[in-house]
Amino acid sequence: EPEVTQTPSHQVTQMGQEVILRCVPISNHLYFYWYRQILGQKVEFLVSFYNNEISEKSEIFDDQFSVERPDGSNFTLKIRSTKLEDSAMYFCASGRDRAYNEQFFGPGTRLTVL
Amino acid sequence: KNEVEQSPQNLTAQEGEFITINCSYSVGISALHWLQQHPGGGIVSLFMLSSGKKKHGRLIATINIQEKHSSLHITASHPRDSAVYICAVLIIQGAQKLVFGQGTRLTINP
Repeated sequence: EPEVTQTPSHQVTQMGQEVILRCVPISNHLYFYWYRQILGQKVEFLVSFYNNEISEKSEIFDDQFSVERPDGSNFTLKIRSTKLEDSAMYFCASGRDRAYNEQFFGPGTRLTVL
Repeated sequence: KNEVEQSPQNLTAQEGEFITINCSYSVGISALHWLQQHPGGGIVSLFMLSSGKKKHGRLIATINIQEKHSSLHITASHPRDSAVYICAVLIIQGAQKLVFGQGTRLTINP
């Protein structure tokens, strides 16, 4: 059964460094999302992406964040200059048809900023 | 004030019991999702509802749009149902986005 994959599963970085979190959505899906979950807190929406552009973004998704679908299969989240408070689990999700219809989530990348 | 509130926050029950998890929201929505988060962190989508009721196996989800309330029921609960269950609503005011509840931690003892 097709699934969303994410790499790496765990990334440790120093404050101020750039990180790129990678996701491979399910191949025939058109809608893509990033969410984050700080340890012990609820899941938060970051950004949605459709037709090679951002559809919606939250207040969290500031200029430090960017997303890209560089090659038609990968979907990346870049954090330019990481802060301690960026430490969280980052989930990618994809959906086949209408925006915010059934979404399939990846296993997540745990980002630790030291 | 949280836009999505779940109750209870924690629930422990014996195998076989009927489980109900509640979700109330304070904003206008176009759809509501129930998600399951496993102990390892992975998230699985269970249901998306905009009205009425849906059933999948031992899981039943209902929504009352007028009362801004949804419930997730599990019949004949099993230890493998132990997980965090999350309600998320698709709000219709301003930018379209999913807003998540804080989750309900369910533990089913054998």
